[in-house]
This record gives sequence, structure tokens and C-alpha cells, in this order.
Amino acid sequence: DTAVSQTPKYLVTQMGNDKSIKCEQNLGHDTMYWYKQDSKKFLKIMFSYNNKELIINETVPNRFSPKSPDKAHLNLHINSLELGDSAVYFCASSHFKQLNTGELFFGEGSRLTVL
Amino acid sequence: AQSVTQLGSHVSVSEGALVLLRCNYSSSVPPYLFWYVQYPNQGLQLLLKYTSAATLVKGINGFEAEFKKSETSFHLTKPSAHMSDAAEYFCAVRRGLTGGGNKLTFGTGTQLKVEL
Repeated sequence: DTAVSQTPKYLVTQMGNDKSIKCEQNLGHDTMYWYKQDSKKFLKIMFSYNNKELIINETVPNRFSPKSPDKAHLNLHINSLELGDSAVYFCASSHFKQLNTGELFFGEGSRLTVL
Repeated sequence: AQSVTQLGSHVSVSEGALVLLRCNYSSSVPPYLFWYVQYPNQGLQLLLKYTSAATLVKGINGFEAEFKKSETSFHLTKPSAHMSDAAEYFCAVRRGLTGGGNKLTFGTGTQLKVEL
């Protein structure tokens, strides 16, 4: 059973389109994240939700809108896609206050290519 | 702000040789430090973590790291490299527990290549 699953795994689209990436975790965690990995492999956090509440919102354009219908799901919707949005988007999950581990569990990533 | 710097974006070793991947941190408070590994076309997987319990931390797949406060370092080592160790390795630091859950700040990664 996949712990953190993302769909789709690959996404190729034209500039200006709107697209969504879905994420689900079956680990019983209460916190989920979106990270963006650029072409140089640099990983940067975008958003984090705890029990459906937004707790981290880094300086991400308004075109990106996360939605968490419940604590097991965190989706990412992107409007008016731009070339610079091409990247691999990783979903991750954890317990909110994990004193002893601080471990994030990552999905396999969704590679977005904007043409 | 807390951050980590990984020295060397690419490291190449021979199979059976020592692996040393460098990570230095910057933090005004005792940090929580992590090493993650990313195999091709996969997500990140935790290798090991430092949470102030012991300065020498052992992880999976024979890797270990030593927290050295005097050098602000948390270098990753493995005595003998295996072909299967070829991957991208990320050092990360966690911001405090207040606000943000487990927000990790990652280094820029080190690509490890293992040659026969």
C-alpha cells in the first residue's frame, strides 16, 4: 500500500492552462505539505496544512491554491500556468508535533512540464 | 533563520570506498538535522536524523552522521560505498516546533555517483 500517493505522476500542458495535482496519505498523519523541486533539484516548501487548516504559506504566487478537504488529502490547483512552473511537485505528510523524529513522508512526485 | 549548506553538488567514489557528504548548518538554536536520500524518479526517504540525543547518529543502509557543534557540521558517511547508494542526498534542518509543524529547509543536494 502506498503511504503518500500523488496523481498524476506526469503532466504536460500548455502555458495559460489550469491544472490540479492530487495527494492522499493513509498514514494517519494530521499535517500535509507541498514542496517544489526545480530543475536543479532545489526543494522548497510551498504550503502546509494541519487538520485542513493552512499553517505554512511561503511566498507562492496566488495562482497556486491548495485545498485540503480532509486531513488525508491535500490538492494543489494551479491557474494560468507559466513556463517557470515546470518542476516536480512533492506531497509529504507528518504528525504536527513530532518531537522525536520530525520525519516527513514523501510521495513520488508529480512532474509538471509547461510548454 | 536556519539553513544548511551542502558542499559539493557532485561526489564520485569507487565501489567499496568511503563516502563523505558534507553539510554545514546555520542556526541560532540547537537544530534538528536530517539527511534524506532521493533515488531516481522517486520521492525523498529519511536516512537519519539528529535530535540532540546523541552526536553520532546511525541510519539506514549503513550510513551515519556526526553532529559537531564546534564545526556546525553534520556530515554523512558510509565506510564502503555500494552501487545501490548512487542517488541524490539532501541535508535538511527543521525550524522550531512552534508554528509550522515540521517545516524542513533543505540544502541544494549532493549527487553521489558510485563507480566500479
